[in-house]
Amino acid sequence: DAGVTQSPTHLIKTRGQHVTLRCSPISGHKSVSWYQQVLGQGPQFIFQYYEKEERGRGNFPDRFSARQFPNYSSELNVNALLLGDSALYLCASSLPGQGAGEQYFGPGTRLTVT
Amino acid sequence: GIQVEQSPPDLILQEGANSTLRCNFSDSVNNLQWFHQNPWGQLINLFYIPSGTKQNGRLSATTVATERYSLLYISSSQTTDSGVYFCAVYTGGFKTIFGAGTRLFVKA
Repeated sequence: DAGVTQSPTHLIKTRGQHVTLRCSPISGHKSVSWYQQVLGQGPQFIFQYYEKEERGRGNFPDRFSARQFPNYSSELNVNALLLGDSALYLCASSLPGQGAGEQYFGPGTRLTVT
Repeated sequence: GIQVEQSPPDLILQEGANSTLRCNFSDSVNNLQWFHQNPWGQLINLFYIPSGTKQNGRLSATTVATERYSLLYISSSQTTDSGVYFCAVYTGGFKTIFGAGTRLFVKA
């Protein structure tokens, strides 16, 4: 079975632009979570979605938004990009009915804001 | 909010040595995972261990939820064990909190 997939792999954007990152969960997984990992730090929780509804939100500004589609794939959107948004963005999926359950991570999207 | 602390922050081992990594958390949690992050950034699942002890080859983990800590044991370390080890806890508020990680380097 395919693992969690993310696209694109790498992305370079300019300050002030908007970006959309995509994630496809493992087949059968209904929960998707997004994380931001700045170089040298642990991943920081951004959102958790389950059955297309937001269940949890971390301490990120409203410039960050997400949604989950009927096929359980998800998009993370970031508006008005800042230099500090440069990071590795990770998506994780987990089985339904277990809270976060055991999370499985995709390879990430490396975003560079110039 | 809940605090997750990992120790030591950095660890250098000679190949074949054993090590213990620790994860302390400040409040009760619903579950706990250990991950190994490789140089390309991929987080690899090691253990899903809300409580008790599990073993997988040279690795084992123990979580004592009542005392709010978890330990990851690496025996007979190999150079391929190098990387960053994270623990992550899931709280009742639908949030997952990662520790800052332990950076392990195993010398040949």
